[in-house]
Amino acid sequence: EVQLVESGGGLIQPGGSLRLSCAASGLTVNDNYMSWVRQAPGQGLQWVSVIYNDGSTYYADPVKGRFTISRDNSKNTLFLQMNSLRAEDTAVYYCARGGGWGSALDYWGQGTLVTVSS
Amino acid sequence: DIQMTQSPSTLSASVGDRVTITCRASQSISNYLSWYQQKPGKAPKLLINAASSLQSGVPSRFSGRGSGTDFTLTISSLQPEDLATYYCQQSYSNPSPHTFGGGTKVEI
Repeated sequence: EVQLVESGGGLIQPGGSLRLSCAASGLTVNDNYMSWVRQAPGQGLQWVSVIYNDGSTYYADPVKGRFTISRDNSKNTLFLQMNSLRAEDTAVYYCARGGGWGSALDYWGQGTLVTVSS
Repeated sequence: DIQMTQSPSTLSASVGDRVTITCRASQSISNYLSWYQQKPGKAPKLLINAASSLQSGVPSRFSGRGSGTDFTLTISSLQPEDLATYYCQQSYSNPSPHTFGGGTKVEI
């Protein structure tokens, strides 16, 4: 059974940094396309970032240059390093499997809430 | 970027009704279209991939159609457990971004 468990969310001041983790079981992070998707309170879904199985990474324009997606193969874990956080980054962040061309997001974690506020 | 537009944004229906949600892409995306269901307080769940391919375990009352720019998600007989917000997403952009529609909230 595939399980994705996010952690690392919390309350952070504007301009601060936070690293989210997504621990995977039942799949190998290194062998899959893995994505981050966020959802601001009361809003819709927004694609954030993807890492391909070849290590290529891509980002949505609002987070480009501030967020970094990565993975640790030994821990089978996906990460999202978030720097220079802004109020508009406040959201529940989900990790999901998939995100390549023609590839849906077929497994999702439960999400972790990031609140950027002073 | 490819824009995805869903309609309606909110839909009120009764149990047993046939319900159709529309998703339109700003350019042709072939059949690279997925539908997700998100129940309140929960993570999204993949219902349909490749415009019409039902995921394993998803009830057969859900169906998807379309190609190019216009797509539909139909619930043939609405059930109480179908209360949720439904999102479409395109995966045609290569490599990114794979944009979502704004969502359709189904009220019963």
